[in-house]
Parts: sequence; C-alpha cells; structure tokens
Amino acid sequence: NAGVTQTPKFRILKIGQSMTLQCTQDMNHNYMYWYRQDPGMGLKLIYYSVGAGITDKGEVPNGYNVSRSTTEDFPLRLELAAPSQTSVYFCASSFSTGIGGYTFGSGTRLTVV
Amino acid sequence: GQQVMQIPQYQHVQEGEDFTTYCNSSTTLSNIQWYKQRPGGHPVFLIQLVKSGEVKKQKRLTFQFGEAKKNSSLHITATQTTDVGTYFCAGTPLGNTDKLIFGTGTRLQVFP
Repeated sequence: NAGVTQTPKFRILKIGQSMTLQCTQDMNHNYMYWYRQDPGMGLKLIYYSVGAGITDKGEVPNGYNVSRSTTEDFPLRLELAAPSQTSVYFCASSFSTGIGGYTFGSGTRLTVV
Repeated sequence: GQQVMQIPQYQHVQEGEDFTTYCNSSTTLSNIQWYKQRPGGHPVFLIQLVKSGEVKKQKRLTFQFGEAKKNSSLHITATQTTDVGTYFCAGTPLGNTDKLIFGTGTRLQVFP
C-alpha cells in the first residue's frame, strides 16, 4: 500500500500564479483533509471531505479550492498565489474521525515569491 | 472557537531524563489522538484514547485521557535521541465528529 501520496514535493510559485496540489490515497478512506503548517507552528485545516462529492471549509479556506470527484483523489487548488501561502501542505485521510488515526502524506513544500 | 492548547511549547532534556507534554481542550472531546512529527517529516499517528480516565502504554510512552475528557498527557520515560520531534495531540469535539482539532504541539529536543 502506498498510503497517501502527494505531488509535487517542492514547488516555487510567483505571486499571482495558480497551481494544483495533488493528493491520492489507496486505503479506500472516506475522509480526506488538507492542512497547512507554517514553520514551527501547528496544523491548520484548510478543507476537508467526508466522501466523494462532499467538501467543506476548515479554519483557513480563503485562497484555496478543492474538489472530490472520486474516493481516492482530493486535489487542492491555489488561485492567485500570495506570499502568505508559503507553507508546507499536508494531505491526510482516515476511515473516520472516531476510529483509528489520520494517515498523512509526506507533504508539499510551497514557496511563493 | 474550539481550541486545543499544549504545554510546554518547547522542552529540551538530557538523554535519559523524563518528558511530559500536556494537552488541554476548551470543549469536551469524544476521543483524543497523539501524533509525532520528526523534523522535516509528516505527522505519524501514535495512539487514540476514547474512555474517560483511560491510560495506555507503548514501551516508554504513557498516554492518559482526563476524567472530564478535556485534557490529556503524554509521558516519555528515559528519553532517547530517537524521541526528538514535535508531539501533537488532536481531539474530536463531542457532537462534531467530522474533523480533529490539532493541538499547538510540543517540540522535544534531546541532548546526548
């Protein structure tokens, strides 16, 4: 099992550019999440999904969009990148929030210049 | 909003010393989870506690869930350099089961 796979691992964007961070999981988990982690800080929830076709906002959704067309994939779209979006982005999945834990991907380190 | 705070924010210990991090939630939780993140790595799930007053052990790590289900602790006995990293607690608020609220984290540094 690959678990949760994120691509790319690193990316440098110029201000105003757009990009999609890819996330795919092969564990048949219904729940998927996007977090951002600023240097030396905790995890902030951007968006989450409880199943295909269902998404909802987390704590810090502004400047981001998501879609969940399949159980496996949960891409995160950044429109009009800003320096404040420089961060490490983690995708995670789980069977549920009450059973077991989250499985995290290895992260995407994004720098906006 | 719902918050989960951890103390201390940082802890430096000599190898062999014990370490404890405390987790406090502003709301009652249905369960608490603990994660470890090595420097430059991603969070890795350690354990989940569900019952009030529950205590679980994993080798040198002891996890406790408070009686009121609003606090938790992680204690490491005789730290080793492999324990270095940031430890996060994360709780599911009672009645809001769609997501975890992550704590602020405690960064542990172990000197040999």
